[in-house]
Amino acid sequence: SAVISQKPSRDICQRGTSLTIQCQVDSQVTMMFWYRQQPGQSLTLIATANQGSEATYESGFVIDKFPISRPNLTFSTLTVSNMSPEDSSIYLCSVAGQKLNEQFFGPGTRLTVL
Amino acid sequence: AQTVTQSQPEMSVQEAETVTLSCTYDTSESNYYLFWYKQPPSRQMILVIRQEAYKQQNATENRFSVNFQKAAKSFSLKISDSQLGDTAMYFCAFIRGSGGSNYKLTFGKGTLLTVNP
Repeated sequence: SAVISQKPSRDICQRGTSLTIQCQVDSQVTMMFWYRQQPGQSLTLIATANQGSEATYESGFVIDKFPISRPNLTFSTLTVSNMSPEDSSIYLCSVAGQKLNEQFFGPGTRLTVL
Repeated sequence: AQTVTQSQPEMSVQEAETVTLSCTYDTSESNYYLFWYKQPPSRQMILVIRQEAYKQQNATENRFSVNFQKAAKSFSLKISDSQLGDTAMYFCAFIRGSGGSNYKLTFGKGTLLTVNP
C-alpha cells in the first residue's frame, strides 16, 4: 500500500487563527479524503478532495470553514479556518487507489485549539 | 443511510487467548464492503481485514478472521492468539460498492481492546 505522510503531526493553535494540514502520498492515487476524529469519538468524513476541482463536502461541513485543495494526484491540503476550541480533533487523510472501496490512512494531525 | 453499531465499548483479553469483537450494520445496499480498522495509541489507522458482501467465504488475515452473517447484518472480528501489540481501538466500517460516486466510509463508535500480560 502507499506511504502517506501528514504535516504537521500536531499543533496547538489560538482561537480565531487558521491551520493548513498537508497530506502527501508516495504514489499516484485515485481518491483522497479528509476525516475528523473528535476526542473519544469515531471518524467522520469531512470531504472528498477532487483533483483539479472543488472538493465534495459532507453534510455539516462547508468550504469556508474547511477549504481543501488537491493540485495533483499525490498531494492535498485541508485548512481549518477561524478555529475555535470545538475544532480540537485529530484530522486524518485517507487515500484509495485502484480498489476504490479500500482506503488507507495517514498518521493524522492532532490539533488543539486554545 | 448506512449505520454501523459496535455494542462493546471496551473489552479485555489475556495474552494468547481468543477474543471476538461484535459489529452490526444496517443498509439497503446489496453491494458493499466491510472493514475492521485498528487504531493503536499512536493514532495511526491500520486496515486489519476486508470483506466483500458478495463473497460468502469469511475473510482471514493471519490471526484475524471475520464471521460475516449477511442476512443478520453482522460482521464480527475474531483475534486468535492475542498479543500485547493488539491493544488498540478497533473500528468496524462500511462502504458502498461500485456504481456510485460516494466512497464514504461509515464507522462504528469503536471497541477499545486491551490485551493483558
